[in-house]
Amino acid sequence: DAGVTQSPTHLIKTRGQQVTLRCSPKSGHDTVSWYQQALGQGPQFIFQYYEEEERQRGNFPDRFSGHQFPNYSSELNVNALLLGDSALYLCASSPRLESHEQFFGPGTRLTVL
Amino acid sequence: KNQVEQSPQSLIILEGKNCTLQCNYTVSPFSNLRWYKQDTGRGPVSLTIMTFSENTKSNGRYTATLDADTKQSSLHITASQLSDSASYICVVMHNDYKLSFGAGTTVTVRA
Repeated sequence: DAGVTQSPTHLIKTRGQQVTLRCSPKSGHDTVSWYQQALGQGPQFIFQYYEEEERQRGNFPDRFSGHQFPNYSSELNVNALLLGDSALYLCASSPRLESHEQFFGPGTRLTVL
Repeated sequence: KNQVEQSPQSLIILEGKNCTLQCNYTVSPFSNLRWYKQDTGRGPVSLTIMTFSENTKSNGRYTATLDADTKQSSLHITASQLSDSASYICVVMHNDYKLSFGAGTTVTVRA
């Protein structure tokens, strides 16, 4: 039973570019949340997807957008990259929208030069 | 101001020794409090989950305590091993299932 998987593992982009990160939830999970974790900080909530809709959103600009597919996998898109977007991006899945369980993926390390 | 504060920011201990990490939170009411272990560059892995009515929860050499009256939690690591070197994050789940994360305590275990 695969856990939460994310791709790619590492990514290097330059300022102004766009990036797409991908996440496959744990088997049986239908809710996906995305977090940004800067070096030395705790994760910051970006948004949550359930039934292919954005259900909750943290304090992130519109440059951050997402999508959830019918198979529950999800994408995080970031446009017009800034140096400050360099971080570890974590995806977490839950078995349902209102759940105490949340399993994290290994993350994607994004470096913006 | 962050709703979850952790201390110390980092600590170094010798292999075989014990240590205690602290977490103070202001989230109220809350559903549960969790401790996660995060290896460098990896995703967090859950160690313990306690509801507001639980005082202590153990997972092997890890023991978490919770005092809901003072809004404090601690994570005690017994007989530390080199593999315990990681960041330990305190996370509080609100009643609406939103999570508030602490910044973490970085533990380094030296031989």
